[in-house]
Amino acid sequence: QSVLTQPPSASGTPGQTVTISCSGRSSNIGGNTVNWCQQLPGTAPKLLIYNDYQRPSGVPDRFSGSKSGTSASLAISGLQSEDEADYYCATWDDSLKGPVFGTGTKVTVL
Amino acid sequence: EVQLVQSGAEVKRPGESLKISCKGSGYTFTNYWIVWVRQMPGKGLESMGIIYPGDSDTRYNPSFQGQVTISADKSITTAYLHWSSLKASDTAMYYCARWSRQFDYWGQGTLVTVSS
Repeated sequence: QSVLTQPPSASGTPGQTVTISCSGRSSNIGGNTVNWCQQLPGTAPKLLIYNDYQRPSGVPDRFSGSKSGTSASLAISGLQSEDEADYYCATWDDSLKGPVFGTGTKVTVL
Repeated sequence: EVQLVQSGAEVKRPGESLKISCKGSGYTFTNYWIVWVRQMPGKGLESMGIIYPGDSDTRYNPSFQGQVTISADKSITTAYLHWSSLKASDTAMYYCARWSRQFDYWGQGTLVTVSS
């Protein structure tokens, strides 16, 4: 059972902006950095955002992350068909003493 | 280049044992945590447990404590996930990932199918 809550789905047309939320608590998001992973269909997850808002090299700047208190968000601007994937937030949980994932959000490009 | 290479797909019967592996290369294996992640068919990612190969410090998600054993052999830069008695409900894709405050590198996944 995930300790971080995400909406199950989000959608938009090409070019639009989609925002995904990730809600946690003080023992996880509130005290630790958040990362986001993208899982394209049939593939292993890939790091998309780390340290709340930073992008690994090669990740387009259409992807942006933010955090406030015990919640974090991922925004995808200029939505493209290749962005159709599942997106997961993740962070360390001080109570569980280990990393935890969000419930995951499936993004559909209409 | 950092790589995590996992062992191949397995088909097992209920009650059998299994150990799958994750070999790290391209970095100092003993300096980073390795996490095992379960993804059941059509479901999300679940963190099962984490090991620090440098000193074998291991922590389990309470949901998986007693169900699996995580270990590592730093001499061959490999982490393991072991079941002593598989159940049908263990059917899933299993990933290893390197943790350094983020899941920065992932293995390709090992599909485990448990069926009578």
